[in-house]
Amino acid sequence: GDSVTQMEGPVTLSEEAFLTINCTYTATGYPSLFWYVQYPGEGLQLLLKATKADDKGSNKGFEATYRKETTSFHLEKGSVQVSDSAVYFCALSDRTGRRALTFGSGTRLQVQP
Amino acid sequence: NAGVTQTPKFQVLKTGQSMTLQCAQDMNHEYMSWYRQDPGMGLRLIHYSVGAGITDQGEVPNGYNVSRSTTEDFPLRLLSAAPSQTSVYFCASRTTGTNQETQYFGPGTRLLVL
Repeated sequence: GDSVTQMEGPVTLSEEAFLTINCTYTATGYPSLFWYVQYPGEGLQLLLKATKADDKGSNKGFEATYRKETTSFHLEKGSVQVSDSAVYFCALSDRTGRRALTFGSGTRLQVQP
Repeated sequence: NAGVTQTPKFQVLKTGQSMTLQCAQDMNHEYMSWYRQDPGMGLRLIHYSVGAGITDQGEVPNGYNVSRSTTEDFPLRLLSAAPSQTSVYFCASRTTGTNQETQYFGPGTRLLVL
């Protein structure tokens, strides 16, 4: 079945550092790919998405590119802020049947001032 | 527009008790789903519904029941709670149109089963 693998956390960075959170996936067909963010005590919010190969999703300074050849969707940000501290989930959506989201295990990011 | 709402926010149950987690959305979304979130495991799909009167099982359906009598509501029932059901539960909704794959999540219900 479909699966998503994320790098384990926590990831601890200083403010203004460069961020990369790795995400790779296994899926049949051509899924859509997502990054969701969960701030402490809250539900999940969509951060960005990409629906086909070579698409780049971007939002709030975060970017991720759908790489079909490496089955990856790594999240990047050039300069993190303390307010970016959260848990980040990579997910894919199958396009048949359930159309449910398959999530990675999440990566906690801690940004220190 | 409240989006996806869930009640209660927090609940403590004893083993064997029953309860219903409520979920409602005001976006007229056809698709609704329930996930549970456990440490180190991401979110896993429990049940989902593609419209009123239609439900189906997800990845971890055992111990949970659902029904969908209206477009707006999608309650999740625990008939006999077990400690293994201690988790955070999220409800989500989305439209079913092509390319409308963004799911909107509620704030979650934290459940503790003793």
